[in-house]
Parts: sequence; C-alpha cells; structure tokens
Amino acid sequence: SAVISQKPSRDICQRGTSLTIQCQVDSQVTMMFWYRQQPGQSLTLIATANQGSEATYESGFVIDKFPISRPNLTFSTLTVSNMSPEDSSIYLCSYSLGETQYFGPGTRLLVL
Amino acid sequence: DQQVKQNSPSLSVQEGRISILNCDYTNSMFDYFLWYKKYPAEGPTFLISISSIKDKNEDGRFTVFLNKSAKHLSLHIVPSQPGDSAVYFCAATRGGADGLTFGKGTHLIIQP
Repeated sequence: SAVISQKPSRDICQRGTSLTIQCQVDSQVTMMFWYRQQPGQSLTLIATANQGSEATYESGFVIDKFPISRPNLTFSTLTVSNMSPEDSSIYLCSYSLGETQYFGPGTRLLVL
Repeated sequence: DQQVKQNSPSLSVQEGRISILNCDYTNSMFDYFLWYKKYPAEGPTFLISISSIKDKNEDGRFTVFLNKSAKHLSLHIVPSQPGDSAVYFCAATRGGADGLTFGKGTHLIIQP
C-alpha cells in the first residue's frame, strides 16, 4: 500500500479561525476520503474527494464548513472553517485500494 | 441510528489465549467488512477484511467470520500477544465509491 501523510499532526486554534489540513499520498489514487473522530467516538465520514469533481458530503456536513480540494491524484486538503470548540477532533484522510481504505496518521485539532 | 455496532467497549484477555471481538450491523446493503487496529495518536491500521460472499477469511493469527443471516461478524486473534493491545474498529461498506461506516470500537487489553 502507498504511504499517506498528513500535515499538521496537531494544532491548537482559536474559535472563529480556519485551519487547512493537507493529505499527501506517495502514489496516484482515485478515491480519497476525509473522516472525523470526535473525543470518545467512532470515525465518521465527512466527504469523498475525487480528482476533477466536487467533493461528495455526508449528511450533516456542508461545503461551507468543510471545503475540500483535490487538485491531483496524490493530494487533498480539508479546511475546517469558522471553528468552534465542538470542532475539536481528530481529522483523518484515507485512500481506497479496491474495497480497502488506508488511513493517514490523523490531525489532532483543539479549538479554544 | 448506528448501522455498525460493537457492544463491548473493552475486553481483557490473557496472553496466549484467544481474543474474540464482535460486531453487528443493520444495513443489509453492506457488501464488504473490515477490521482496523488503532493505537493512540496513530491512524487506524487495516488488519483483515471479508466480502459478503464468504463466511471466513484467515490471515496468520487473525480470522474473521461473517454470519450474513445474523448480520454478525467476529474477529478472532489467536494466540493473543501483548502487542495486540489496542482499540479495534469494525467497519462496513457497500463498496464502490462508498466510504466506511465504523463501529465505536473495542479496547482490547492483553494481560501478561
């Protein structure tokens, strides 16, 4: 499987600000995904990001709050906009190979 | 409404014995099931998967069993080793471009 990395690994942000998380895969992949893991909870799919098309968002997640870019087959970004303390979570990206998804190390976000 | 359920938040097993982690699902459209292992401050690591057309898949110490009629799957680890101590997530997907739906996880503790 390809190596997948995320930046930053963690951040502490003030409410009302925005943070952009980067996800890099070391080979070309078709499907990339973004997930959130809130404290004590499971992983929840935010959106699916395909190169060359708009991201597809899950129920409860909107583009204005979580804009996603997918400029090429190895890279994607997720922005968490106008943050509030409820956005404090681990944000994870993944790519799929067949039916299996491989995850990045995650970005730990704390919003004060 | 949780479509993937792991009803045991934690499980303690003696080293060398068998660990059995259980998972139930409600969506009959799920076609592919996966198990992930997660250490703190890391992303989930793929362990093993099973297609809905099979009832068993084995990989070394890990075996996954699927009972479609009961909408139940289980992960067996034998023998259990101290390095197996982690949170284990069950996940399911309809396949294709669909993301994963996760359970809440089971914290497995292997006692020496």
